[in-house]
Amino acid sequence: AQSVTQLGSHVSVSEGALVLLRCNYSSSVPPYLFWYVQYPNQGLQLLLKYTSAATLVKGINGFEAEFKKSETSFHLTKPSAHMSDAAEYFCAVSLPAGGFKTIFGAGTRLFVKA
Amino acid sequence: EPEVTQTPSHQVTQMGQEVILRCVPISNHLYFYWYRQILGQKVEFLVSFYNNEISEKSEIFDDQFSVERPDGSNFTLKIRSTKLEDSAMYFCASKDSLPEAFFGQGTRLTVV
Repeated sequence: AQSVTQLGSHVSVSEGALVLLRCNYSSSVPPYLFWYVQYPNQGLQLLLKYTSAATLVKGINGFEAEFKKSETSFHLTKPSAHMSDAAEYFCAVSLPAGGFKTIFGAGTRLFVKA
Repeated sequence: EPEVTQTPSHQVTQMGQEVILRCVPISNHLYFYWYRQILGQKVEFLVSFYNNEISEKSEIFDDQFSVERPDGSNFTLKIRSTKLEDSAMYFCASKDSLPEAFFGQGTRLTVV
């Protein structure tokens, strides 16, 4: 069965520092992978997606993620954190065999310190 | 840009009452989903719907829940007799043949 593990329920960085949010997936076949951001009391906004094209995916707000099949990982990075990046981030996976339902990780809350 | 629309944005209901959460998926989409997010927790899959029938449901989706596509545009989630633990944010999503699902902004349901 497909699943997603996000390492670290909370990550704290200083403004201007590198952001690294970790995500590993479990799937017998390469899945489609997504990162979503959720600001307090708001909905889910798609940051970026991997759908078997380029392994390095660029998204909105300066975020990018790299699909590494050998490591079954899809870590999210941003070179320089901004205060406005403080939010909850969800890694997610979907597979055709699962009817393309989206399975979410537990989420990582990103704190950005001034 | 087309989007998934959910109404209402907030709903407060008394325990034991029936609620219907409404969603208008993107018009040419064929696959429809409901998800639930209890406050502070992760987003959980409830049910998927395709070709006018449920294609998959999670163990959360028990007999208290039902879904319907009453016309060509709406997709609803009904909770027959709400419990306190049904309080959550409910997200509707839809997709076409491509992998990405598009999510609505959610309905926050509070059961008192």
